[in-house]
Amino acid sequence: SQTIHQWPATLVQPVGSPLSLECTVEGTSNPNLYWYRQAAGRGLQLLFYSVGIGQISSEVPQNLSASRPQDRQFILSSKKLLLSDSGFYLCAWSVEAAREQYFGPGTRLTVT
Amino acid sequence: KNEVEQSPQNLTAQEGEFITINCSYSVGISALHWLQQHPGGGIVSLFMLSSGKKKHGRLIATINIQEKHSSLHITASHPRDSAVYICAVTKGAQKLVFGQGTRLTINP
Repeated sequence: SQTIHQWPATLVQPVGSPLSLECTVEGTSNPNLYWYRQAAGRGLQLLFYSVGIGQISSEVPQNLSASRPQDRQFILSSKKLLLSDSGFYLCAWSVEAAREQYFGPGTRLTVT
Repeated sequence: KNEVEQSPQNLTAQEGEFITINCSYSVGISALHWLQQHPGGGIVSLFMLSSGKKKHGRLIATINIQEKHSSLHITASHPRDSAVYICAVTKGAQKLVFGQGTRLTINP
């Protein structure tokens, strides 16, 4: 069966510090991968998606970036965090576009 | 105006009541999703549908493509159904666009 992991579960970082959130999927090959953010009191927003290794599409211009160094690994990064980067970050995968998406447990990021 | 609108935003009901959450969208879609988010934040996909009706246990989801409207029903509601229910649509090849969510509280 397929499993999706995210870590860390919670993170408190000062403004200006770097960020690295990791997501890995097990039990499937060549998944579509997604990063979402849920800011406090707001709905989910797609940040990045990837259809293959090294292929990243950005939905929202911001100081975040994403990378996919391996087939089942998706990393969200920032060189310098802003207060507005606080939120709940979710990774998800799907077999292909427009198919059901499966979400990871999420990372709650607080930028202080 | 948001591309995906849900109503109501908050809903409180007694155990056993029949629950309906509505979702309207204004864009062309290839699929509509209903998601459940528990207090800890974890999200579970309940349904993905592009036409008609689907049923899983006490949950029923319907979609009317012509009217661009979907409903999520919960029969015989239970306190463990308390969660935020999110409607999302697949717009284009990859993009999921989300509604703001409906916070459901079922009191015993």
